[in-house]
Amino acid sequence: QVQLQESGPGLVKPSGTLPLTCAVSGYSITSNNWWSWIRQPPGKGLEWIGEIYHTGGTNYNPSLKSRVTISLDKSNNQFSLNLNSVTDADTAVYYCVRHYPNGAYAFDIWGQGTMVTVSS
Amino acid sequence: QSALTQPASVSGSPGQSITISCIGTSSDVGSYNLVSWYQQHPGKAPKFIIYEVNKRPSGVSNRFSGSKFGNTASLTISGLQAEDEADYYCCSHAGSTIYVFGTGTKVTVL
Repeated sequence: QVQLQESGPGLVKPSGTLPLTCAVSGYSITSNNWWSWIRQPPGKGLEWIGEIYHTGGTNYNPSLKSRVTISLDKSNNQFSLNLNSVTDADTAVYYCVRHYPNGAYAFDIWGQGTMVTVSS
Repeated sequence: QSALTQPASVSGSPGQSITISCIGTSSDVGSYNLVSWYQQHPGKAPKFIIYEVNKRPSGVSNRFSGSKFGNTASLTISGLQAEDEADYYCCSHAGSTIYVFGTGTKVTVL
């Protein structure tokens, strides 16, 4: 059974960096697949942040591209998100997700989500 | 890249069918048969229910079906059940912008 689990600080100060990690179990992140981060501000809709391929290639949402880095940690079977220069607009539940392995542009396995609040 | 437009809310009685629209543009929904749909219950992570416009992943009820015409995708829930009460989001591949989600629709079972 494939499972994803986000971890990171629940509170980040404005202008700081938001670091999150997604631990993957039941599936190797070195398999031919993409992995993404998606966020949801309280009471609002979903926003795609960016994706990383098993080879390390990345694509980012243009609206966040200047502040986002996604990376792989193959030795620990996990991938990470760093979002810098955060403001209160970055307060959200952050989800890590697996892309559907058949090549479809869809997200089939989601972590439970982790709430991150930006506040001084 | 703007969010895809969905109705804020849709309601129906048990056993009825409802349809949720997802309006995009020629840069996203209209250009790719890569629309997916997600169901989200309160306090839970979204659940994957439709991919590539009209395909259901294994284990998803056949009461859920998808379609697309031009720049508009749709999700139909037939035989509405109490457990279908949730928020629903569409998502489309959008070329260089990669992925754009819909604004979300709250489904209420009367």
